[in-house]
Amino acid sequence: AQSVAQPEDQVNVAEGNPLTVKCTYSVSGNPYLFWYVQYPNRGLQFLLKYITGDNLVKGSYGFEAEFNKSQTSFHLKKPSALVSDSALYFCAVRDYYNAGNMLTFGGGTRLMVKP
Amino acid sequence: ETGVTQTPRHLVMGMTNKKSLKCEQHLGHNAMYWYKQSAKKPLELMFVYNFKEQTENNSVPSRFSPECPNSSHLFLHLHTLQPEDSALYLCASSQVQRTGEETQYFGPGTRLLVL
Repeated sequence: AQSVAQPEDQVNVAEGNPLTVKCTYSVSGNPYLFWYVQYPNRGLQFLLKYITGDNLVKGSYGFEAEFNKSQTSFHLKKPSALVSDSALYFCAVRDYYNAGNMLTFGGGTRLMVKP
Repeated sequence: ETGVTQTPRHLVMGMTNKKSLKCEQHLGHNAMYWYKQSAKKPLELMFVYNFKEQTENNSVPSRFSPECPNSSHLFLHLHTLQPEDSALYLCASSQVQRTGEETQYFGPGTRLLVL
């Protein structure tokens, strides 16, 4: 079975400060990990993914995420937050050999960036 | 988001009505998905179609009936829904790969309200 946990319902950060949105996962095989962002009344937009290789993955809009196998984590980060980054963020995992092409999503974390 | 389109964007229906949601992907993908997003609940996978064949039905009530006439179009037929079915219904598509690396791309969703 595969699962994802996003331990924070909401993260508050001041504009210009670094931000981190946490994600931990559980799989029985090798994980493929994804981050998506959802703006109000919109669908999910793909930000970045980890498949293999370098543990630091860079994605859209200046976001990056670090894969940590020992801590089973894939935290989303950005060095300097913008007010426009305020949105709902979802982490997702796929354990291909045990779950086919199905993704399992976390419950989402709302990011609030204040001016 | 223009890669995956959904219509209508908003729908209000009574419990005795019959309606259909439409999804179209313009990405040349071979798999399509229906998800349900309710307030304060994780994203729920409903149906998966690979190469037009339904490969996953995640214990969805029979009042939801999917149809995939070709690899670019996906429908969700609705009948005798309940108020608790009110949610954002998201369609996604992906190009399934043997390695499991594929990314799912989402449409903007249909906001459904059942009265």
